[in-house]
Amino acid sequence: EPEVTQTPSHQVTQMGQEVILRCVPISNHLYFYWYRQILGQKVEFLVSFYNNEISEKSEIFDDQFSVERPDGSNFTLKIRSTKLEDSAMYFCASSEGGNTYNEQFFGPGTRLTVL
Amino acid sequence: RKEVEQDPGPFNVPEGATVAFNCTYSNSASQSFFWYRQDCRKEPKLLMSVYSSGNEDGRFTAQLNRASQYISLLIRDSKLSDSATYLCVVMYSGGGADGLTFGKGTHLIIQP
Repeated sequence: EPEVTQTPSHQVTQMGQEVILRCVPISNHLYFYWYRQILGQKVEFLVSFYNNEISEKSEIFDDQFSVERPDGSNFTLKIRSTKLEDSAMYFCASSEGGNTYNEQFFGPGTRLTVL
Repeated sequence: RKEVEQDPGPFNVPEGATVAFNCTYSNSASQSFFWYRQDCRKEPKLLMSVYSSGNEDGRFTAQLNRASQYISLLIRDSKLSDSATYLCVVMYSGGGADGLTFGKGTHLIIQP
């Protein structure tokens, strides 16, 4: 069964450093998403991406965040200057379409720890 | 403001029991509703969509009340493997690729 993959599974970084989280969405999917979940908190939407541009973003997704599809398979989330409060599980998801009938499939997540 | 509220639990129930969870959402423009399941330190996985007429999938039944902005999930004949956090999820269709709005989840523990 096709699945979303994410690397690394765990990333530890120093405050102020840049990190890039990588995702490989399901191959025939056209819509990509990033979510985060701070430990003990709810899953929060960050951004959606379609046709090589951001489709929607939440108020969490400020100027320190960026997304990119650098090639035909990868989808990345960059955090420019990490803060302690960026420590969270980051989930990538993908879907065939962008409407309400298309299930979003989640990857296993990258646990980001900012020291 | 888009909010989804759930009782966090935990719900401790014996194997074989029936258990029900509820959820309320704040934005009446909500279009689609789902229950996801999340195991400890794992990704959310879709359990079932929730339709206005109510729908059933095996031991699971979901109901939606748009007038009260209320969603429910019923699990019958609960199994040990049902132990997980159940996430109430809402989608607001703004025309773009919409993100999902998650509740904080209800933690269910099935005891042998």
